[in-house]
Amino acid sequence: DAGVTQSPTHLIKTRGQQVTLRCSPISGHKSVSWYQQVLGQGPQFIFQYYEKEERGRGNFPDRFSARQFPNYSSELNVNALLLGDSALYLCASSLVRQGASYGYTFGSGTRLTVV
Amino acid sequence: AQSVTQPDIHITVSEGASLELRCNYSYGATPYLFWYVQSPGQGLQLLLKYFSGDTLVQGIKGFEAEFKRSQSSFNLRKPSVHWSDAAEYFCAVGVIKGAGNQFYFGTGTSLTVIP
Repeated sequence: DAGVTQSPTHLIKTRGQQVTLRCSPISGHKSVSWYQQVLGQGPQFIFQYYEKEERGRGNFPDRFSARQFPNYSSELNVNALLLGDSALYLCASSLVRQGASYGYTFGSGTRLTVV
Repeated sequence: AQSVTQPDIHITVSEGASLELRCNYSYGATPYLFWYVQSPGQGLQLLLKYFSGDTLVQGIKGFEAEFKRSQSSFNLRKPSVHWSDAAEYFCAVGVIKGAGNQFYFGTGTSLTVIP
């Protein structure tokens, strides 16, 4: 079975640009969460979606937005990129809404570099 | 507020030696606790998890962790380290918040294994 897949794997953008990151969860998983991992730090929660509805949002500015599609895949959008947005963006999926109780499966991430 | 502390930023052990990685958490309710491992440039792989019951939990790759409520700790151990265990290790607490849930991660412990 395929795991959580993320695309692209690497991305270089210029300050002020917009970026869209994509995630396909494990088949049957309805919950998708996004995390930002800055170099040398632990991942930080950005969003959780379940059944196409936002279920949680971390302490990130409105430049960050996301959505979940009927097939449970998800996109993370970041507008007006800043140098500080450079990070590894991780997508995680779980079978149930309360994935934090049972554990998530993480993708390999998208490495975003803002120059 | 929820938080996870991993006091050791970096640990070096000899191959075959025992290992203990420390994790302390702050959470008002019964915690859902996890250990993840991350190899360079990769996503996070679940090693083990604790929900309730037996406070000593077994995971993959020969790892185990012990939950000690009185010390708010969830330390990860391995009796004999292999060179392939060199990686970044993250402790996390799973929190249910309203309609959703999220992980709070520690800052990680980098493990180096020397021959």
